[in-house]
Amino acid sequence: NAGVTQTPKFQVLKTGQSMTLQCAQDMNHNSMYWYRQDPGMGLRLIYYSASEGTTDKGEVPNGYNVSRLNKREFSLRLESAAPSQTSVYFCASTLEDTEAFFGQGTRLTVV
Amino acid sequence: AQSVSQHNHHVILSEAASLELGCNYSYGGTVNLFWYVQYPGQHLQLLLKYFSGDPLVKGIKGFEAEFIKSKFSFNLRKPSVQWSDTAEYFCAVNEGNTDKLIFGTGTRLQVFP
Repeated sequence: NAGVTQTPKFQVLKTGQSMTLQCAQDMNHNSMYWYRQDPGMGLRLIYYSASEGTTDKGEVPNGYNVSRLNKREFSLRLESAAPSQTSVYFCASTLEDTEAFFGQGTRLTVV
Repeated sequence: AQSVSQHNHHVILSEAASLELGCNYSYGGTVNLFWYVQYPGQHLQLLLKYFSGDPLVKGIKGFEAEFIKSKFSFNLRKPSVQWSDTAEYFCAVNEGNTDKLIFGTGTRLQVFP
């Protein structure tokens, strides 16, 4: 089993460009999450999805959109990237009453 | 909205010293509680978790945590730290009836030989 797989691992964008971060899990988990990690601020929840077809805003959703394409995949889209979105992004998944499993992260720089 | 507070932002210890990292949460209902560790350059890994039962939870690598419901706390402890414990530690909470998982701001632990 691969667990939680995120792509790409690194990305540099120009301000105003768009991109989609991909996340897939092969553990048959129901819930999936996108977080951003910034120094001194911990992990902040952007969006989460409790099940296929549902998504909910987290703590910092502005500037992002998500799609829960199927049970396995949960993508995060930046429509018009801004320097404030420079961060490390983590995808995670859980099954009810278990811990979250994390992907390896995507380091995004917006210049 | 629920929140998680970690008041120790940066802790510096010598090897063999004892460790206690604080974690407080705001939600008043049933909660699931977690401590995760992030070693430099890596993703988060679970140290321990509490869902119900014995409020003293033992995790990997000699870590333990105690859930005190009256204080809304879930502090992490280790009797004797090692240099290899140098990492960032995150407390996390989700409400018992939702899937929303919220993290604290993290505590950076440095252990010197």
